[in-house]
Amino acid sequence: AQSVTQLDSQVPVFEEAPVELRCNYSSSVSVYLFWYVQYPNQGLQLLLKYLSGSTLVESINGFEAEFNKSQTSFHLRKPSVHISDTAEYFCAVSDDDYKLSFGAGTTVTVRA
Amino acid sequence: EAQVTQNPRYLITVTGKKLTVTCSQNMNHEYMSWYRQDPGLGLRQIYYSMNVEVTDKGDVPEGYKVSRKEKRNFPLILESPSPNQTSLYFCASSLRGSPPETQYFGPGTRLLVL
Repeated sequence: AQSVTQLDSQVPVFEEAPVELRCNYSSSVSVYLFWYVQYPNQGLQLLLKYLSGSTLVESINGFEAEFNKSQTSFHLRKPSVHISDTAEYFCAVSDDDYKLSFGAGTTVTVRA
Repeated sequence: EAQVTQNPRYLITVTGKKLTVTCSQNMNHEYMSWYRQDPGLGLRQIYYSMNVEVTDKGDVPEGYKVSRKEKRNFPLILESPSPNQTSLYFCASSLRGSPPETQYFGPGTRLLVL
């Protein structure tokens, strides 16, 4: 079974500053990687995913993540955050059996 | 609108009183799954279903039951709830495919067992 480690449980950040959320997973022959976001009092929404191809994937709202196979990492970054990015972010990994294994989550609080 | 719905959204109950949380999706997805979310633990899978009449245990199935009689519905049943089942529950669904398709999540059901 896959395991996922999110290295930071809480990340406070000022508006317009950059943010990086770290995610490491247990190695596997083939792996698919996801970042989900949970805004306050809502369900989870897919932010971005890596399935194959380019190791750098981007979301429509300015986030990007890079798949690094040698370091078994899938860190999430945004160069300039907004107040509306305040949320909990979950890294998840899947192999071919559809099962999503989630990290413990990172709470991002953006302050003005 | 494509969505996953859950009912109820909030529920307070007492130990031992059977309850059912419903989950329904309108996207004709084959795969459905239940998760519980607890602080510091992320989401853990309870049960999943690959298609109608096909269900299997996830990581934390003890104390839960599910059924999949219709493609769109996947209810979660707690026959005799206990306080350690107090949690936030999410239902999710997706198409089947390789690589895995995106899972769509419901809004969550917050359960308190006294």
